[in-house]
Amino acid sequence: NAGVTQTPKFQVLKTGQSMTLQCAQDMNHEYMSWYRQDPGMGLRLIHYSVGAGITDQGEVPNGYNVSRSTTEDFPLRLLSAAPSQTSVYFCASRQQGATEVFFGQGTRLTVV
Amino acid sequence: AQKITQTQPGMFVQEKEAVTLDCTYDTSDQSYGLFWYKQPSSGEMIFLIYQGSYDEQNATEGRYSLNFQKARKSANLVISASQLGDSAMYFCAMNPESNRLAFGKGNQVVVIP
Repeated sequence: NAGVTQTPKFQVLKTGQSMTLQCAQDMNHEYMSWYRQDPGMGLRLIHYSVGAGITDQGEVPNGYNVSRSTTEDFPLRLLSAAPSQTSVYFCASRQQGATEVFFGQGTRLTVV
Repeated sequence: AQKITQTQPGMFVQEKEAVTLDCTYDTSDQSYGLFWYKQPSSGEMIFLIYQGSYDEQNATEGRYSLNFQKARKSANLVISASQLGDSAMYFCAMNPESNRLAFGKGNQVVVIP
């Protein structure tokens, strides 16, 4: 009963480093999304996908890349980390036509 | 773009009393969904309730109810009989026709015994 699994839970990066935040879901959901949450803000959409091979930009896509080679996985890549990318990142998934959105536990990223 | 507005400052509510959290939204879509999520201090996002734009009845889930006023574009959450475990941030969100789920900035609720 895994649901949406994000790894790692915590990460510290140096400015300029690259890394990939992993997201996997075992519910065969078509829709997957990445959000970031900053203090005093709600969740803001970074990228989303409506199925394998299909991705699109959200509200704050700059500095992030995604790909969706399988239904299960939706990794988020930071190409060159910046302190402005310090945030909590959430991955979410949803079945097409369904109402409930399932969230991962979040990844707390600090860029120094 | 969709816009969700939650403007109430942090709220203190007495245990066992009801609390209403305000949410207004702006969209030109005819079909959309409205959600409320709870985020306790542990950080996870917990789904509470959903209302479809064409649903004629207000949604209810246990102690949670959604006061949906479509003409006013508001979707207020009512928590009845507050419990200490209700202390959390509460986020209103909207899923428009584009499926880009958009969130408000949240309301902080503290339940006091």
